[in-house]
Amino acid sequence: GAVVSQHPSWVICKSGTSVKIECRSLDFQATTMFWYRQFPKQSLMLMATSNEGSKATYEQGVEKDKFLINHASLTLSTLTVTSAHPEDSSFYICSARNELKNNEQFFGPGTRLTVL
Amino acid sequence: GDSVTQMEGPVTLSEEAFLTINCTYTATGYPSLFWYVQYPGEGLQLLLKATKADDKGSNKGFEATYRKETTSFHLEKGSVQVSDSAVYFCALTGGGSEKLVFGKGTKLTVNP
Repeated sequence: GAVVSQHPSWVICKSGTSVKIECRSLDFQATTMFWYRQFPKQSLMLMATSNEGSKATYEQGVEKDKFLINHASLTLSTLTVTSAHPEDSSFYICSARNELKNNEQFFGPGTRLTVL
Repeated sequence: GDSVTQMEGPVTLSEEAFLTINCTYTATGYPSLFWYVQYPGEGLQLLLKATKADDKGSNKGFEATYRKETTSFHLEKGSVQVSDSAVYFCALTGGGSEKLVFGKGTKLTVNP
């Protein structure tokens, strides 16, 4: 198969703190991973494309200093929400592109972030 | 920019009922079209896809036909099961990009 995990599955933090979310491809290597954000009853919105060994590419309107992405290995990308505020509360989903399976994106189960 | 509009849910059906979830799109050029399914507690999974006009994607009894003239990609299944209860997302990639553009998702509940 092609399995992607995320950790943690949910997190609650205080305003002003930073939170790191991990995305791992468990049984394949991924040079490219994607980070999405989903608001209630809204579609998934692409935040950034994470490339192994290079800087992430952010979508328009996404603050790169706010949402730090690191893709240090072929199986791990991390998203750090810095100085989190209540408006950052959301569902964050990652996907990993599997080049051996026709470049299909395989999705993690998501991380629910709540900022108090 | 590109966009996807799908029918709002939730949709509640009885087992063995016919399912249609409407999806229309706006895109320049010739997008590829997808349906993803998200079962409770799991990540999105690709259900089916179509890459050119008149293509029919099918999987697990679900079907969708790429209709360029109506810019639609409606999802259908002739007889739903309780295990089909999930959230369904219509999506596209366009303009040579691999970036997925999603609809808002439709929650389906199938009762025994």
